[in-house]
Amino acid sequence: DQQVKQNSPSLSVQEGRISILNCDYTNSMFDYFLWYKKYPAEGPTFLISISSIKDKNEDGRFTVFLNKSAKHLSLHIVPSQPGDSAVYFCAARIAWGGNQFYFGTGTSLTVIP
Amino acid sequence: GAVVSQHPSWVICKSGTSVKIECRSLDFQATTMFWYRQFPKQSLMLMATSNEGSKATYEQGVEKDKFLINHASLTLSTLTVTSAHPEDSSFYICSATDKVGELFFGEGSRLTVL
Repeated sequence: DQQVKQNSPSLSVQEGRISILNCDYTNSMFDYFLWYKKYPAEGPTFLISISSIKDKNEDGRFTVFLNKSAKHLSLHIVPSQPGDSAVYFCAARIAWGGNQFYFGTGTSLTVIP
Repeated sequence: GAVVSQHPSWVICKSGTSVKIECRSLDFQATTMFWYRQFPKQSLMLMATSNEGSKATYEQGVEKDKFLINHASLTLSTLTVTSAHPEDSSFYICSATDKVGELFFGEGSRLTVL
């Protein structure tokens, strides 16, 4: 049972425009959410996180929004750059789950120069 | 920032042999380490959660006798793929959490079984 879902397997965006990546989850016990970026044949790298007590967290070009009532998470990248082309995973942690994270299936972002 | 290192980054082995992959937290103590497997074009799949000094907790469907995990110290966890077969070929990634619960990933290890 996939508790964290990314329904868009791929996304193409023009350089300089906004990229919006979406993530939905089913478990209301998730308390901490993260976005990771992964290039082919490399390990994921941490991008940005958000605690369930917040609804927005910003770090440079990256902003994560959390809508707990809708169980929805989104990552905004503004402005998008060709180097942002990668697979993006969202992940969620259960509050009492001992640091176990559940990952979405990933969205492949292509930023077109 | 915190660094997690995996070794080897790429290994090729013959079918039937065993392969060990190491995961080290270089500048912090990691009480919990995770092992993931990524199939092509799929999500990272959690294989097991490893706590220092205790037996690993395996996810449903992961064979514990096939994928041996040892977490002997606060900075080292190992994954041994026993009697590897071509279907075990994959990208294996470890991660570790620091004291505040942030998750750091290793670079990943690509296993190819001939």
